[in-house]
Amino acid sequence: NAGVMQNPRHLVRRRGQEARLRCSPMKGHSHVYWYRQLPEEGLKFMVYLQKENIIDESGMPKERFSAEFPKEGPSILRIQQVVRGDSAAYFCASSLKTGNSGANVLTFGAGSRLTVL
Amino acid sequence: GQQLNQSPQSMFIQEGEDVSMNCTSSSIFNTWLWYKQDPGEGPVLLIALYKAGELTSNGRLTAQFGITRKDSFLNISASIPSDVGIYFCAGQISGGSNYKLTFGKGTLLTVNP
Repeated sequence: NAGVMQNPRHLVRRRGQEARLRCSPMKGHSHVYWYRQLPEEGLKFMVYLQKENIIDESGMPKERFSAEFPKEGPSILRIQQVVRGDSAAYFCASSLKTGNSGANVLTFGAGSRLTVL
Repeated sequence: GQQLNQSPQSMFIQEGEDVSMNCTSSSIFNTWLWYKQDPGEGPVLLIALYKAGELTSNGRLTAQFGITRKDSFLNISASIPSDVGIYFCAGQISGGSNYKLTFGKGTLLTVNP
């Protein structure tokens, strides 16, 4: 039973290019989350998606960033016109369900490390 | 917004020593989580705490959920070289936003054999 799969593991882009990061959730998980980790920082929430729906994008920058989780295929985090400040590790997590009570156990992938030159 | 203060920032210890790290928050959490992150990898859940005052063990790891629900600590006993890594605390609230984990900045642990 594979865990959360992310690719690419490492991505180098020049300023102004586009970065696309992909995430396949754990089998049976229909809830996907993206978090960003800046150097020497903890992870910070970006966006929560279910199939074909963005549930909460309150942590995602309003410009240049977008996310999707199509009916078929992986979730995609897209960063247009990258800048040096976008250099970070981007982690995807998935969970079985998120209820309105109790805890929600997130399983994280190994991350995609973006370097912007 | 919610903030977690995690300390110490880093620790250098000898193999066999015990380690303690803690997190404090300016606000209440309903769940405290401790993760370990190895270099180049994602965070892996070590221990989850669901009730104030709860003390939970996982092998050589012991963690407690503070009574005030604003703090938690993690102890590692008899450290070994593979304990090296970054340890993160994370707080989680109940309700509709329980997917938004608030992470501390991490404690970098180095174990000298």
